[in-house]
Amino acid sequence: EAQVTQNPRYLITVTGKKLTVTCSQNMNHEYMSWYRQDPGLGLRQIYYSMNVEVTDKGDVPEGYKVSRKEKRNFPLILESPSPNQTSLYFCASWGGYDQPQHFGDGTRLSIL
Amino acid sequence: AQKITQTQPGMFVQEKEAVTLDCTYDTSDQSYGLFWYKQPSSGEMIFLIYQGSYDEQNATEGRYSLNFQKARKSANLVISASQLGDSAMYFCAMRGPTTYKLSFGAGTTVTVRA
Repeated sequence: EAQVTQNPRYLITVTGKKLTVTCSQNMNHEYMSWYRQDPGLGLRQIYYSMNVEVTDKGDVPEGYKVSRKEKRNFPLILESPSPNQTSLYFCASWGGYDQPQHFGDGTRLSIL
Repeated sequence: AQKITQTQPGMFVQEKEAVTLDCTYDTSDQSYGLFWYKQPSSGEMIFLIYQGSYDEQNATEGRYSLNFQKARKSANLVISASQLGDSAMYFCAMRGPTTYKLSFGAGTTVTVRA
């Protein structure tokens, strides 16, 4: 089954404690992206990747890091999380310009 | 810069009726793509329909159709014969000339009444 898998689905943590949200896709897609969803703002792009070792900033990259060492994986790293990063996070992958993005089920992060 | 505007924060619709969700966009690009996604209360994002800027016909997918008016820069989603399972948040999104950026509107919540 074609899917994008995110882990964990839920996480409550404290300010400053490094965390990683993993994302893996099994569709051999070149493109991957991370979004955060906040009420009234829709989804905003954090980082994206066009291929292995090729990443770039989206609209809200501050406080986040990513890496793409393998085509299937695109982890999101919060080196020093802060409460304003409490949000619902989505990973997505897609194969080309007119192709829809396939989303993971989301990760709800609460940073106290 | 791309901007997507969804002016209806919430809507109610009677079961079996049609509903139109508004989406306007702002771009200076000639090549772009428009997407609609559905987000039920369970949280996942479900792709509904796609319209390319050069497509001459409006896209349709089952009960979903996209009313694309290029000159007015609008891409309204029409859901025909609403069902209770259509209750969800709906997002309009646009991809510009580059493949990697997708910009989303704020979303419209649809509640279908029996």
